[in-house]
Amino acid sequence: GAGVSQSPRYKVAKRGQDVALRCDPISGHVSLFWYQQALGQGPEFLTYFQNEAQLDKSGLPSDRFFAERPEGSVSTLKIQRTQQEDSAVYLCASSPLGQASYGYTFGSGTRLTVV
Amino acid sequence: GESVGLHLPTLSVQEGDNSIINCAYSNSASDYFIWYKQESGKGPQFIIDIRSNMDKRQGQRVTVLLNKTVKHLSLQIAATQPGDSAVYFCAESYDYKLSFGAGTTVTVRA
Repeated sequence: GAGVSQSPRYKVAKRGQDVALRCDPISGHVSLFWYQQALGQGPEFLTYFQNEAQLDKSGLPSDRFFAERPEGSVSTLKIQRTQQEDSAVYLCASSPLGQASYGYTFGSGTRLTVV
Repeated sequence: GESVGLHLPTLSVQEGDNSIINCAYSNSASDYFIWYKQESGKGPQFIIDIRSNMDKRQGQRVTVLLNKTVKHLSLQIAATQPGDSAVYFCAESYDYKLSFGAGTTVTVRA
């Protein structure tokens, strides 16, 4: 497609439930990023993929967060045993190459609300 | 000392006036800077960028200024329009990672 597509747009989860968030990057983009944006804040880096390899996961808040990109295109961010503090917008971005100067394109995000 | 623009979380501007949004960045090693616009329910949208070897760059109605001495970035929007109402973020980058600053919510008054 023409842009980065994320699904679902909205997700309400009960505390303790597992969730999976999907990102379809721009076709051919090598790099894929996940960011977390809390209400009223700027996005915070979570993790970075180059093709199928997860090169940086330093921003993942806890071991309940897991991301994968098995075939180097679609990526899934999984959160296990969700907590209220996980409520945020989860943004995915893709880029032709790893350097930020090649340009990131962000999706519209998935708004996760944990109740 | 040199005066540095204060970051304000909100900015209200009259339609047609110029807007100036300020941002302080933290990493002296950052070599690339970007301004993003984020509208409600959407992801950040690229506005303009600047590399660390420049101090000014102009686009269509927008200008970015970079002061590396005091680690300060500003975005100037000329002739602000209602469609410019949004949250604006600056971001700094070294290699692949973006670090975002605190946003500024711009409201354009008719």
